[in-house]
Amino acid sequence: SQTIHQWPATLVQPVGSPLSLECTVEGTSNPNLYWYRQAAGRGLQLLFYSVGIGQISSEVPQNLSASRPQDRQFILSSKKLLLSDSGFYLCAWNSQAGGWYEQYFGPGTRLTVT
Amino acid sequence: SQQGEEDPQALSIQEGENATMNCSYKTSINNLQWYRQNSGRGLVHLILIRSNEREKHSGRLRVTLDTSKKSSSLLITASRAADTASYFCATALPIIIQGAQKLVFGQGTRLTINP
Repeated sequence: SQTIHQWPATLVQPVGSPLSLECTVEGTSNPNLYWYRQAAGRGLQLLFYSVGIGQISSEVPQNLSASRPQDRQFILSSKKLLLSDSGFYLCAWNSQAGGWYEQYFGPGTRLTVT
Repeated sequence: SQQGEEDPQALSIQEGENATMNCSYKTSINNLQWYRQNSGRGLVHLILIRSNEREKHSGRLRVTLDTSKKSSSLLITASRAADTASYFCATALPIIIQGAQKLVFGQGTRLTINP
């Protein structure tokens, strides 16, 4: 069965520090991968998605970047964090095959920028 | 306002009652999905309804879709305390590239089931 992991689970970082959040998927190959951010009490905002290694589509201009160095690994980064980067970051995947478009979410990383 | 707005924002009912949540959206969609989120956790996919479908059932869940009104509803029957969570609708835009789709989430309905 497929499993999606995110780490770390929680993170407190000062303004101006770098960021690296990691997401990995097990049990599937060539997944589509997504990064979302959720502000407190709000819905999810799509940040990036990827349909393959090295391919990244960005949805909103921001202080963040994403990379996909391996088929099942998706990384969210920042060179210098802003206070507004605080939030709950969720990674998700779905399959390219079979016409099934539901997405499967990881447990999330709670980021607090101080 | 953004695509996929849920109504009500919060709902509190007694265990055993039915809970109905509504979602409105603005643009054409390929499909509409409902997700559940327990506090501080990731989202769990509940049900997907395609744009050419009008109603779908899964266990105690019933979803309807009215594309002429650009609205959907999620009905949870015989609610249980474990159903307490936030529920989000997400609309998938018509463009799907290699299976990847953009989901636009609403702000959710916070459902509380009182024992």
